[in-house]
Amino acid sequence: EVQLVESGGGLVQPGGSLRLSCAASGFTFSSYWMSWVRQAPGKGLEWVANIKQDGSEKYYVDSVKGRFTISRDNAKNSLYLQMNSLRAEDTAVYYCARGCGAVAGPRCFDYWGQGTLVTVSS
Amino acid sequence: EIVLTQSPATLSLSPGERATLSCRASQSVSSYLAWYQQKPGQAPRLLIYDASNRATGIPARFSGSGSGTDFTLTISSLEPEDFAVYYCQQRSNWSITFGQGTRLEIK
Repeated sequence: EVQLVESGGGLVQPGGSLRLSCAASGFTFSSYWMSWVRQAPGKGLEWVANIKQDGSEKYYVDSVKGRFTISRDNAKNSLYLQMNSLRAEDTAVYYCARGCGAVAGPRCFDYWGQGTLVTVSS
Repeated sequence: EIVLTQSPATLSLSPGERATLSCRASQSVSSYLAWYQQKPGQAPRLLIYDASNRATGIPARFSGSGSGTDFTLTISSLEPEDFAVYYCQQRSNWSITFGQGTRLEIK
């Protein structure tokens, strides 16, 4: 059974940092693109970042470029999101998601974690 | 950035009725269009990928169609568990965007 379990969310002040983790199991982690998708309270879904199977390619939504870094450790079946210079508008539930399609980036997301809430507030 | 516009914003129907949800892209996305269902407090669930392919375990009452800029998700006969928010999503040029969602509510 595919499982994605996020952790690391919490309350942080504006300008602060947070590192999210996603523990994957039930599939060959190193064979899939992985992504982070977020959802602000009461709002829709927003893609945040993608990372290729071997970590050699990374892509970000414009609003987080230069502030967030996606990474992975295939030996530990884990995905990460380092978030720096956090802003109030980064407040959201952050989901870890597995990408569909092994080539040219994920076409969709076929498995999702339960999400972890990040609140940026003073 | 490709913008996806979903309509209607809210759809009020009764169980057993047919639901038709629309997603329009600001430029062609070929067939790289997916649909998701999200219920309150839950993560999204993939329903349809590549415009018309049902994901694993998705009932046959869900179908997708379209290509280029105009796409449709059809639920042939609504079950009580189908009332939720539905999102479309596209992938192009290493960027991914979602539509704003259609809320399907019980009439």
